Amino acid sequence: NAGVTQTPKFQVLKTGQSMTLQCAQDMNHEYMSWYRQDPGMGLRLIHYSVGAGITDQGEVPNGYNVSRSTTEDFPLRLLSAAPSQTSVYFCASSWTSGGALPYFGPGTRLTVL
Amino acid sequence: AQKVTQAQTEISVVEKEDVTLDCVYETRDTTYYLFWYKQPPSGELVFLIRRNSFDEQNEISGRYSWNFQKSTSSFNFTITASQVVDSAVYFCALKDSSYKLIFGSGTRLLVRP
Repeated sequence: NAGVTQTPKFQVLKTGQSMTLQCAQDMNHEYMSWYRQDPGMGLRLIHYSVGAGITDQGEVPNGYNVSRSTTEDFPLRLLSAAPSQTSVYFCASSWTSGGALPYFGPGTRLTVL
Repeated sequence: AQKVTQAQTEISVVEKEDVTLDCVYETRDTTYYLFWYKQPPSGELVFLIRRNSFDEQNEISGRYSWNFQKSTSSFNFTITASQVVDSAVYFCALKDSSYKLIFGSGTRLLVRP
């Protein structure tokens, strides 16, 4: 099992560019989510999905799009990157049962110039 | 609404001192789960413990112990005889019926030799 994988590990963008952060899991988990981590603010939920075809917004969804066409993949799209989106992004997956342990990917460090 | 508060932004101790990291949470649900994660300088998130709302028994694992008190909505984490390798950012997180895992802002622990 690879667990939760994220690509790329590092990315530098210019303001206005678009890109997709990839997240994949091989544990057949229904629930997947994206977080961003900024200094002093902990991890904040961007978007989440409870299954293929179902997505919803978290605490800080503006500027990000997601889709979930398969159980395994949950890409995060930045349509027009802004410097405020400079952050470390974590993807997580778990079963949907209440206390299911979330598994986190290694993170993607994104810098927007 | 869910909320997790870690009021201690940064704590500095000398090796072998005991240190307690505070976590206070808010939720309207009667069934919920609490987590602690460690984030070492390398950046990955390391799971430490999970607790459900029906189990108030304190837990000890080696030098780590957790004190869960529903009456004060707190889930505090104590490291006994701290070591330099304990230096990291520690996050408390809450998951209730909404499936979302909500994090506190984290406490940076520095253990000096």
